Amino acid sequence: DAGVIQSPRHEVTEMGQEVTLRCKPISGHNSLFWYRQTMMRGLELLIYFNNNVPIDDSGMPEDRFSAKMPNASFSTLKIQPSEPRDSAVYFCASTPPEQDTQYFGPGTRLTVL
Amino acid sequence: AQSVTQLGSHVSVSEGALVLLRCNYSSSVPPYLFWYVQYPNQGLQLLLKYTTGATLVKGINGFEAEFKKSETSFHLTKPSAHMSDAAEYFCAVSGGYSTLTFGKGTMLLVSP
Repeated sequence: DAGVIQSPRHEVTEMGQEVTLRCKPISGHNSLFWYRQTMMRGLELLIYFNNNVPIDDSGMPEDRFSAKMPNASFSTLKIQPSEPRDSAVYFCASTPPEQDTQYFGPGTRLTVL
Repeated sequence: AQSVTQLGSHVSVSEGALVLLRCNYSSSVPPYLFWYVQYPNQGLQLLLKYTTGATLVKGINGFEAEFKKSETSFHLTKPSAHMSDAAEYFCAVSGGYSTLTFGKGTMLLVSP
């Protein structure tokens, strides 16, 4: 079975540009999570969805960040405009119904110059 | 609210030595506890989890962890380290709605 798929794996952009990260959860999973990982702050939960509905976005750092889940098989995390401090690895994870185990994607390494 | 404390950001062992990675948690409800491993440039992978029942949990790659409610601990152990165990290890506690609260991580270094 395919795991969680994220694209792109690496993104290098310039400050002020819009960045869109994509995630395809495991088929049949109904919860999806976006995390950010940095050396300084560790692993931070940004937002999570249950049945395509955003449940908690309190971890989204500011209005420049937005996330959508238009259907059960696709989610995006958008940063507009991007800033150098947004440089990090962004992970997507999904969980099956009625379970707590999260399955992580390989991550997108974002570098904002 | 839930929280996780991992003691030691780095742990160094020799190949063949005992691995012990410490995790203490705080939870307002009976916890579900997890250990994840992250190899360089990869996502997190589940090692093992405790939900209910037996307090000694066995995971992949020879790792195990014991849930001790009285000590609010969930330490990860492996009797004999292998070079391939070098990675970062994260302890996590479930906070309901499938959310997990992660510790800061412990980097395991294995020397020959």
